[in-house]
Amino acid sequence: RKEVEQDPGPFNVPEGATVAFNCTYSNSASQSFFWYRQDCRKEPKLLMSVYSSGNEDGRFTAQLNRASQYISLLIRDSKLSDSATYLCVVNEGSGGYQKVTFGTGTKLQVIP
Amino acid sequence: NAGVMQNPRHLVRRRGQEARLRCSPVKGHSHVYWYRQLPEEGLKFMVYLQKENIIDESGMPKERFSAEFPKEGPSILRIQQVVRGDSAAYFCASSPEVHEQFFGPGTRLTVL
Repeated sequence: RKEVEQDPGPFNVPEGATVAFNCTYSNSASQSFFWYRQDCRKEPKLLMSVYSSGNEDGRFTAQLNRASQYISLLIRDSKLSDSATYLCVVNEGSGGYQKVTFGTGTKLQVIP
Repeated sequence: NAGVMQNPRHLVRRRGQEARLRCSPVKGHSHVYWYRQLPEEGLKFMVYLQKENIIDESGMPKERFSAEFPKEGPSILRIQQVVRGDSAAYFCASSPEVHEQFFGPGTRLTVL
């Protein structure tokens, strides 16, 4: 089993739709979690951190389920500009050393 | 605050030459990570460094690749005797002690 797994997609959704991605991780000791966004031929950019209590930023909601070892990202009212690849990131360890694992990404295409 | 700087942004080398990729982390960040991304593929972890120390190089090819993060100056990823298969985007990221990573714009290496 891969350390961090994502459905590669693509997810093709119409503008205004709600779309959700999941990401599963294998190491129950994982400490922190993030969602990044990567546009074609650009660097990944932090979208949001994922907290145990869940967090929301505008149209984006991230949740963590430690029991089932997955994190999710929900995008409401999709915009054309949301089209990108969404990367799930899992950090293991704390303090001086972190092992960071990126998922391979889920591609989202929002269509007019 | 300047973000992560990488140079050159584009690098063309002939087979057998050396490639040197430089990364200046965000000021104050002591953790540097290097990743490689092939076209249409996900990010692959290469190496994790702290000042003057290699912490995890499990993703580095055993031969021809080396990385350093000296006390002064940028982090360097060095590829000796490049081959066509080394053509990729190389991203550097930095982070403070225990937090999310911030990515540079990447160096696109083309080996002719």
